[in-house]
Amino acid sequence: EIVLTQSPGFMSLSPGERATFSCRAGQSLSRSYVAWYQHKPGQPPKLLIYGTSNRATGVPKRFSGSGSGTDFTLTISRLEPEDFAVYFCQQYGFSPNTFSRGTKLEI
Amino acid sequence: QVQLVQSASEVTRPGASLTLSCKTSGYRLTDFGMHWVRQAPGEGFEWVGSIEHDRDRTDFGPRFQGRATIRRDRSTATVYLDLRRLTSDDTAMYYCAKEDSGSYDDWGQGTRVTVSS
Repeated sequence: EIVLTQSPGFMSLSPGERATFSCRAGQSLSRSYVAWYQHKPGQPPKLLIYGTSNRATGVPKRFSGSGSGTDFTLTISRLEPEDFAVYFCQQYGFSPNTFSRGTKLEI
Repeated sequence: QVQLVQSASEVTRPGASLTLSCKTSGYRLTDFGMHWVRQAPGEGFEWVGSIEHDRDRTDFGPRFQGRATIRRDRSTATVYLDLRRLTSDDTAMYYCAKEDSGSYDDWGQGTRVTVSS
């Protein structure tokens, strides 16, 4: 199965700053089937980005995704207070679907 | 709007079996595939398995082959996960997740499963 390594595991930033999350795959994801999710305590995950760079319905424009091959990135251009959460990536191009362990973004 | 409502928390013993349910509304069950994923305490997410949208073909992650079943009742728009031969490693939060072209755009609220002697 494809291992997804996300870095860093923990990030501490302030509202208004830029956040960048990296997701590296153990092999090339040739079809770029990568999604990003936001997860807050006591809630189910929320889909942010699918197909590497497509924002899900209702997701603010400050969230963007990019990448190809083995390296994929989620960027939050200017952090809002509600953005502090755990972020993780998923690849769904190869079975089994796999997930990264996530990055906890704290104020 | 789409809603996925999962069954209540479960506490069970090693070696037992359990069934989790996910009642859907707001869309046609056979228009989208349904997946089950789980998150053990302190761990990342793990894919359990899935059922295809337009037929009852299922697929499972390596650790669940032979001891998991996914089925659905179209009359009640409910999807079920049966898991057998439970161990303490199966202690986790289990989610059903509606698939749209591979990613999961709607999730259930989660069912906490605790396996302990």
